[in-house]
Amino acid sequence: GENVEQHPSTLSVQEGDSAVIKCTYSDSASNYFPWYKQELGKRPQLIIDIRSNVGEKKDQRIAVTLNKTAKHFSLHITETQPEDSAVYFCAANFGNEKLTFGTGTRLTIIP
Amino acid sequence: DAGVIQSPRHEVTEMGQEVTLRCKPISGHNSLFWYRQTMMRGLELLIYFNNNVPIDDSGMPEDRFSAKMPNASFSTLKIQPSEPRDSAVYFCASRPGRPNEKLFFGSGTQLSVL
Repeated sequence: GENVEQHPSTLSVQEGDSAVIKCTYSDSASNYFPWYKQELGKRPQLIIDIRSNVGEKKDQRIAVTLNKTAKHFSLHITETQPEDSAVYFCAANFGNEKLTFGTGTRLTIIP
Repeated sequence: DAGVIQSPRHEVTEMGQEVTLRCKPISGHNSLFWYRQTMMRGLELLIYFNNNVPIDDSGMPEDRFSAKMPNASFSTLKIQPSEPRDSAVYFCASRPGRPNEKLFFGSGTQLSVL
């Protein structure tokens, strides 16, 4: 089936430390893996995505790694700041068009 | 561009009533998605359209839910009759016709069924 599992469901880190969120997916044919950030009461917004032809992608303090053999990918946020507090969703495509989301990680940055 | 526009922002209704949610995708986007968000189940894909044609409605919970896209600039999600368990935030999202591209979400409709 089309399944994306995400861990942990909640994560608290001290400001300045790093945060890591992990996801696994079920379909070996999936080739697109975006991450969305949703602030309280707002819409989800894309923060970074990776395609299966690369193993890692970085954008300033955010990086995503992909292990296609193991069917898992991770989001890394370094030097966390209070504005990083939000719910983060991973996703994977199925059948090249459908985007299935993980259940979300509520990240809290402790000042 | 105003982005994906959804209406209403909030809807409170009584059990058994019909509810219609509306969405205007970004101009030029050929794919439109309806998602439902709850605390327990996260973001669930209900249905998506390509070029106004429903492609996959396997996520629609039951026959009480229906969706239409009569033209490229408008879509509706209807619940009839509504039930308390339908209470959730409903998001519409669109993207250009190419797969594996960024989804643009609307602001969502917060639905409460009493």
